[in-house]
Amino acid sequence: RKEVEQDPGPFNVPEGATVAFNCTYSNSASQSFFWYRQDCRKEPKLLMSVYSSGNEDGRFTAQLNRASQYISLLIRDSKLSDSATYLCVVIDYNQGGKLIFGQGTELSVKP
Amino acid sequence: NAGVTQTPKFQVLKTGQSMTLQCAQDMNHNSMYWYRQDPGMGLRLIYYSASEGTTDKGEVPNGYNVSRLNKREFSLRLESAAPSQTSVYFCASSEDRGTEAFFGQGTRLTVV
Repeated sequence: RKEVEQDPGPFNVPEGATVAFNCTYSNSASQSFFWYRQDCRKEPKLLMSVYSSGNEDGRFTAQLNRASQYISLLIRDSKLSDSATYLCVVIDYNQGGKLIFGQGTELSVKP
Repeated sequence: NAGVTQTPKFQVLKTGQSMTLQCAQDMNHNSMYWYRQDPGMGLRLIYYSASEGTTDKGEVPNGYNVSRLNKREFSLRLESAAPSQTSVYFCASSEDRGTEAFFGQGTRLTVV
């Protein structure tokens, strides 16, 4: 089983839709969590950190469920510019603080 | 502020050739990483360096070597390139282990 798993998609949604991505992780000792965004043929860029209490940044909401070992990303009122691949990242300090990436979920927002 | 800079951006090698991918960061970060990205595989960690003077293997280290030359620079060397090493390589850095990472623009390597 992969350490971090995501539904690869693609998710095809119309503009204005709400879309949610989930990510599961296998190591219960994982201690930090992030969502990254990657545009086609570009480098990944940090979208937001994920805190235990959940956090929101504009149209984006991230949540963490430690008991079930998953994190989620909710995008409201999707824009064409949200089209990208969204990467779930988990850090386990017991493994030297390495960043472990999921394979990414592709989102395509259509007019 | 350049952030993380990788060179070269593109490279074509013949099987058996060697080359070094260069990476430098100007954010005074302690930790640096090398990843490769292949279709359907996500980013896989090759090597990382938690601090100057230390390096550790990641998920896919075979066929690669690294050098943490100083705090700014972390190079990745392919001693004898193989077609299986055709990939996009990303260097990244973070302030400390366990904090968010910032990525370079990537090196697209093709081994023929």
